[in-house]
Amino acid sequence: EAQVTQNPRYLITVTGKKLTVTCSQNMNHEYMSWYRQDPGLGLRQIYYSMNVEVTDKGDVPEGYKVSRKEKRNFPLILESPSPNQTSLYFCASSLSGLNYGYTFGSGTRLTVV
Amino acid sequence: EDQVTQSPEALRLQEGESSSLNCSYTVSGLRGLFWYRQDPGKGPEFLFTLYSAGEEKEKERLKATLTKKESFLHITAPKPEDSATYLCAVQASGTYKYIFGTGTRLKVLA
Repeated sequence: EAQVTQNPRYLITVTGKKLTVTCSQNMNHEYMSWYRQDPGLGLRQIYYSMNVEVTDKGDVPEGYKVSRKEKRNFPLILESPSPNQTSLYFCASSLSGLNYGYTFGSGTRLTVV
Repeated sequence: EDQVTQSPEALRLQEGESSSLNCSYTVSGLRGLFWYRQDPGKGPEFLFTLYSAGEEKEKERLKATLTKKESFLHITAPKPEDSATYLCAVQASGTYKYIFGTGTRLKVLA
């Protein structure tokens, strides 16, 4: 089944403790992206990647890191999480970064205390 | 600044009562406009892409249209299973970024 898989689905962590949210797609998509979704603010793009080793900042990149060493994987790293990073995170992929709709993962609900 | 505004924020319809959702956009050259459906606790599901003014796309009870300033998602004779949040997004020319609106929460009552 074609899908984007995120892990974990739920995570509660403490301020400052480094964490990684994994994302993997099995569709050989070139384009991958991370979003956070907050009430009243909608989906905001954190980082995106056009292909292996090619990444760029979205609208809210502060406090996040990404890497794209393999085509299928695009992990999101929070080096020192803070409470304002409590949010619902989605990974998405697309055949190409241009003109194609996304396939989204099921989301990761992160709480930083 | 590129911007997407959706209205209304929330909409309640009786089963069979047709209506439209609006997505207004301001972008420096539109590459594509996208509609998604999001159910509670799930990731958005892609519905349509529209590329140029005058274009229309249909899927079951949904029909999306596009003008130079806005897009409409028309829902004909909705059913309770159409209840969801509908999201609009745009991609501007010369960029890989997508900008999403905050969505319209649709509730269809039986």
